[in-house]
Amino acid sequence: AQSVAQPEDQVNVAEGNPLTVKCTYSVSGNPYLFWYVQYPNRGLQFLLKYITGDNLVKGSYGFEAEFNKSQTSFHLKKPSALVSDSALYFCAVRNRDDKIIFGKGTRLHILP
Amino acid sequence: DAGVIQSPRHEVTEMGQEVTLRCKPISGHDYLFWYRQTMMRGLELLIYFNNNVPIDDSGMPEDRFSAKMPNASFSTLKIQPSEPRDSAVYFCASSFGNTIYFGEGSWLTVV
Repeated sequence: AQSVAQPEDQVNVAEGNPLTVKCTYSVSGNPYLFWYVQYPNRGLQFLLKYITGDNLVKGSYGFEAEFNKSQTSFHLKKPSALVSDSALYFCAVRNRDDKIIFGKGTRLHILP
Repeated sequence: DAGVIQSPRHEVTEMGQEVTLRCKPISGHDYLFWYRQTMMRGLELLIYFNNNVPIDDSGMPEDRFSAKMPNASFSTLKIQPSEPRDSAVYFCASSFGNTIYFGEGSWLTVV
């Protein structure tokens, strides 16, 4: 069965510093991997995805993620954090049966 | 496009009452998903449809929950009878291709 793990419930980063939000996955076959962001009292917004091709994927708001097949990871990164990046971030995986499973989420706090 | 539209945005109901949540997916999308979000359990997939046909309802918690998709532009999630533990945010999402798009959610409180 497919699964997604986000090992950190919360990540604190100082504004201007680089940030990383971790995600590992388990799925049979080639995975489709996604990152979503949720702001308070809002739905989830799509940030970026990996389907195939270049392992480094760029997305919205300056975020990027690196697909690492050997480590089954898809960590979210940003070179310089903004206070406005503070939100709840979800990693998700979709496989051939089209079911999309989300991790538990990581709350990102950017400290001014 | 207006995105995925959910109604009601907020609902407070008494235990035992029937609750119906509604969703209009993005036009042209062939998949529709219902998720539930709580602090304790995170984001759970309840059921999903492909071309209006339910594909997997293994996430539906119990028989009190039912979902329908009578046509490509409308789906409902019904809880009958509702219980306080059903209090959560219910999200509808749709997709065509790989990426799914979420509505703003229906915030349900059962007292």
